[in-house]
Amino acid sequence: DIQMTQSPSSLSASVGDRVTITCRASQGIRNDLGWYQQKPGKAPKRLIYAASSLESGVPSRFSGSGSGTEFTLTINSLQPEDFATYYCLQHYNYPWTFGQGTKVEIK
Amino acid sequence: EVQLVESGGNLVQPGGSLRLSCAASGFSFSDYYMDWVRQAPGKGLEWVGRIRDKAHAYTTEYAASVKGRFTISRDDSKNSVFLQMNSLKTEDTAVFYCARDLGARAQSLWGQGTLVTVSS
Repeated sequence: DIQMTQSPSSLSASVGDRVTITCRASQGIRNDLGWYQQKPGKAPKRLIYAASSLESGVPSRFSGSGSGTEFTLTINSLQPEDFATYYCLQHYNYPWTFGQGTKVEIK
Repeated sequence: EVQLVESGGNLVQPGGSLRLSCAASGFSFSDYYMDWVRQAPGKGLEWVGRIRDKAHAYTTEYAASVKGRFTISRDDSKNSVFLQMNSLKTEDTAVFYCARDLGARAQSLWGQGTLVTVSS
């Protein structure tokens, strides 16, 4: 199985900060990766697909990059509504696997 | 309205069975693969499995943790996908979500989730 190692597991940031979250795959997955945001008690919401494409309706302060084994989600100018948990998902090989999540908290 | 609505979650004893349903509306359900994802209380997301469309013979894929115990099926005439769960274990306790083709570039769509509790 492909392991997705996400870091950090949590971070504290202030409104207006730039935040970077990383996912490393245990083997190459091309760009078959999505980034998801989840708020407490809610279903996940995809922000990025194909590693770097912005989902329709998602603010442009979110961006994704990477290919192969290393991927990054960047949030420019963190907003109050961005405090949530973020996950990556690889869909290159079955079984598909999520990263363990990154909780973004208010500093 | 484009949406997915899960149902069927309940309290069940270890070793028991449960069938979850996910009803789709507002889009051409039969054209899409469908996925199930679960989340144990306070834990991260776990992909459970998927079912392909008719053109791909409704074939399925599963996570190792559920293979042989869970079965995904669909009824395109009812715009619904199902998750049959047998030999349930306490560690299967989770909120179960259905989602529209997580690997697709099409707009992502998830249901609200349904809670399955496995306990004696």
